[in-house]
Amino acid sequence: DIQMTQSPSSVSASVGDRVTLTCRASQDIKTWLAWYQQKPGTAPKLLISRASNLQSGVPSRFSGSGSGTDFTLTINNLQPEDFATYYCQQTNTFPRALTFGGGTKVEI
Amino acid sequence: QVRLQESGPGLVKPSETLSLTCTVSGGAISSRSYYWAWIRQSPGKGLEWLGSVWYNGDTYYKTSLKSRVTISVDISRNQFALRLPSVTAADSAVYYCARQPLVGDYFDSWGQGGLVSVSS
Repeated sequence: DIQMTQSPSSVSASVGDRVTLTCRASQDIKTWLAWYQQKPGTAPKLLISRASNLQSGVPSRFSGSGSGTDFTLTINNLQPEDFATYYCQQTNTFPRALTFGGGTKVEI
Repeated sequence: QVRLQESGPGLVKPSETLSLTCTVSGGAISSRSYYWAWIRQSPGKGLEWLGSVWYNGDTYYKTSLKSRVTISVDISRNQFALRLPSVTAADSAVYYCARQPLVGDYFDSWGQGGLVSVSS
């Protein structure tokens, strides 16, 4: 199975900061990557599909980029509601597998 | 707007069968545009896709769980279900149901999740 590695595992930031999260795939997944935001006690929420397609209703301060094996999620002008854990997911190998990264926690 | 809601026991004894149901509202599970998926989350294993089902009953499972997991769909009730026999403590997790677009294979709508603990 394709392994997804996220770094860092946690990052400390302040309101107004720009934060860049990284996700690396163990093999080429082209742009078949999604990003999710999860807050404690709630389900993950889809932010971005196909590496850079922002979902409807997601603030434009979120952006995704990358292709192949290296991907980034950038949050500009970090807001209080953005403190959460972020997961990447490769969508390249369905139906054999759909795998998630281990997550990056964005902390105050 | 589609909504998904998991239901089922929160406590299952070791070696018994975990059974969960997901009820879909605000959208038809018979739509040909979506699969319907089960995902679980545990502290030790993170987020883990278990499998997906299409409206016609076609199923797709995580390779390592293929022999254990069964996902079924009931169009008349707008529900789909997960069955996981012979559970151990390692199967303790929050179980989510989710909608998976055919084109993309990400998960665009999720249930709130149901905690299932495996313990005697």
